[in-house]
Amino acid sequence: AQSVAQPEDQVNVAEGNPLTVKCTYSVSGNPYLFWYVQYPNRGLQFLLKYITGDNLVKGSYGFEAEFNKSQTSFHLKKPSALVSDSALYFCAVRDIYNFNKFYFGSGTKLNVKP
Amino acid sequence: DAGVTQSPTHLIKTRGQQVTLRCSPKSGHDTVSWYQQALGQGPQFIFQYYEEEERQRGNFPDRFSGHQFPNYSSELNVNALLLGDSALYLCASSSSGTPLLGNQPQHFGDGTRLSIL
Repeated sequence: AQSVAQPEDQVNVAEGNPLTVKCTYSVSGNPYLFWYVQYPNRGLQFLLKYITGDNLVKGSYGFEAEFNKSQTSFHLKKPSALVSDSALYFCAVRDIYNFNKFYFGSGTKLNVKP
Repeated sequence: DAGVTQSPTHLIKTRGQQVTLRCSPKSGHDTVSWYQQALGQGPQFIFQYYEEEERQRGNFPDRFSGHQFPNYSSELNVNALLLGDSALYLCASSSSGTPLLGNQPQHFGDGTRLSIL
């Protein structure tokens, strides 16, 4: 079975500081990993994905994620946080049998303070 | 280019009633998936429709049913509503013909907020 875990319900960071939102995965086979962001009363917006290739993946709005196979992790990062980055972040893994079925983590609320 | 649109945005029902939620996929997409997002949780897969048929189903009871129309739009129906059905219902669309199947993200609508009293 495929699953992802987000160990932190909330992450607090000051504006201008680097941020990390953690995600670990459990899959059989090669993982297809994604990060989404959700703003209040909105749907999920795609940030970035890891399919294969370079372990450092760059995405939208200056976000990047580092795939680490030995630690089964896919942490989301940004070098300098903005107040507007405050939102709910979800890590997801694609089902290996159904390409359009995703398993989501429980989400991490990112608070960026001015 | 319109993205995924869902209607209505908010809905209030009472226990035992039935509800229908609607979704129009992003232009060019033919596959629609429905997710339930309870407060404080991540989205949970309900089912997926392709070629007007339910292709896969998550761990949801038969009270949850759906339909896909020839224009690829979809409906989610929930019968005999329970308090626990209160959630944000998200529709996501994708294309079955996308090259390198599996490496494309799903596109989500803004959801329908369903409240059961």
